[in-house]
Amino acid sequence: DGGITQSPKYLFRKEGQNVTLSCEQNLNHDAMYWYRQDPGQGLRLIYYSQIVNDFQKGDIAEGYSVSREKKESFPLTVTSAQKNPTAFYLCASSIEGLSGANVLTFGAGSRLTVL
Amino acid sequence: KNQVEQSPQSLIILEGKNCTLQCNYTVSPFSNLRWYKQDTGRGPVSLTIMTFSENTKSNGRYTATLDADTKQSSLHITASQLSDSASYICVVSAMAAGNKLTFGGGTRVLVKP
Repeated sequence: DGGITQSPKYLFRKEGQNVTLSCEQNLNHDAMYWYRQDPGQGLRLIYYSQIVNDFQKGDIAEGYSVSREKKESFPLTVTSAQKNPTAFYLCASSIEGLSGANVLTFGAGSRLTVL
Repeated sequence: KNQVEQSPQSLIILEGKNCTLQCNYTVSPFSNLRWYKQDTGRGPVSLTIMTFSENTKSNGRYTATLDADTKQSSLHITASQLSDSASYICVVSAMAAGNKLTFGGGTRVLVKP
């Protein structure tokens, strides 16, 4: 059953801690993305990767870091430098980059709450 | 600045009724427009993708329209069901380097029995 798996679904973090959100896909997609979703706002792009060992900053990359060591995996680290990390985080993938009409496949999301 | 505005922000309809959601955009140059359905606590799922030359596209009880001249799109839900309760997100792609997507804030639909 192909898809994207995000974990954990819920995560609580104390201020000053780094946390890592996992994203794994078995769709053989080249491109992967991390979005942040806040209530009433559109999704905002944090980072994206179009190929292994390469990634680019999105619109709100500050306070976040990623790696793409394997095609299937694109973990996101929310660092203590991110001032307002409480949000719903969505990982997505597509066959190739965002050019054309490639459909994004999303994971189920991870909800991060800072205590 | 590329923007996507959706209206209404939320609406309540009775099961079996129809409804129409609106999406206005200022993204340029336009590449394609997508509608996604997002159930609460889940990731969005694609409903339709429309390119410049397409005026109407259907997916079951969902029908999307696109007017590229006025930069407007609508999503019509026919004979609503309880399972249609979700947020509907309009996403516009710009034909530029990186083809970034601009997401609307979504319309939250609640279908009541």
